Amino acid sequence: QVQLVQSGSELKKPGASVKVSCKASGYTFTNYAMNWVRQAPGQGLEWMGWINTNTGNPTYAQGFTGRFVFSLDISVSTAYLQISSLKAEDTAVYYCARDGPGGIGPPFYWGQGTLVTVSS
Amino acid sequence: QSVLTQPPSVSAAPGQKVTISCSGSSSNIGNNYVSWYQQLPGTAPKLLIYDNNKRPSGIPDRFSGSKSGTSATLGITGLQTGDEADYYCGTWDGSLNAVVFGGGTKLTVL
Repeated sequence: QVQLVQSGSELKKPGASVKVSCKASGYTFTNYAMNWVRQAPGQGLEWMGWINTNTGNPTYAQGFTGRFVFSLDISVSTAYLQISSLKAEDTAVYYCARDGPGGIGPPFYWGQGTLVTVSS
Repeated sequence: QSVLTQPPSVSAAPGQKVTISCSGSSSNIGNNYVSWYQQLPGTAPKLLIYDNNKRPSGIPDRFSGSKSGTSATLGITGLQTGDEADYYCGTWDGSLNAVVFGGGTKLTVL
């Protein structure tokens, strides 16, 4: 069965960086794109963009350019989200979420989420 | 402000039926498939409906989806207390070139 297992919660100071991992299993990693979704405390879902797992080419949604980087390690079927120059407003749960058979669109499978807390 | 509009909350009694609406435009719902997600407290979203009205394996037929024009609807019958959760609609927006979500609807089973 498809599983996306994310790394654990992080507590970071403003200005620091964080790297969240998402290890996939149960399917061929390069057959489906990987999305990233943010959920701020008490708020809704916000799509951050996606990465083509064949080419490694990332696409960032508006508002997620510059400090956000999607990357892959295909050898271990893992996607990464790195956020630099962290701000308090980056405090959120970050989800990786795999595409469905129809290609890029609303995700099918979701990781369990990684809470990133930014506080001095 | 979300691109897709959902009511903030709905409620109904156990055993009853509830519907949750999701309103968009021709650039999103009007020309793309809609998905629905259930998010139980403290957990990740879970896919309930995809391609407007299809249920993934394991999702009971108490959950249904429909679409008409630029709006979509999630229906839940035989409500159970375990259905209390936040529900989100999502689709692709061709103008924004982005996946867009509704703001979420909190379901209370009284």
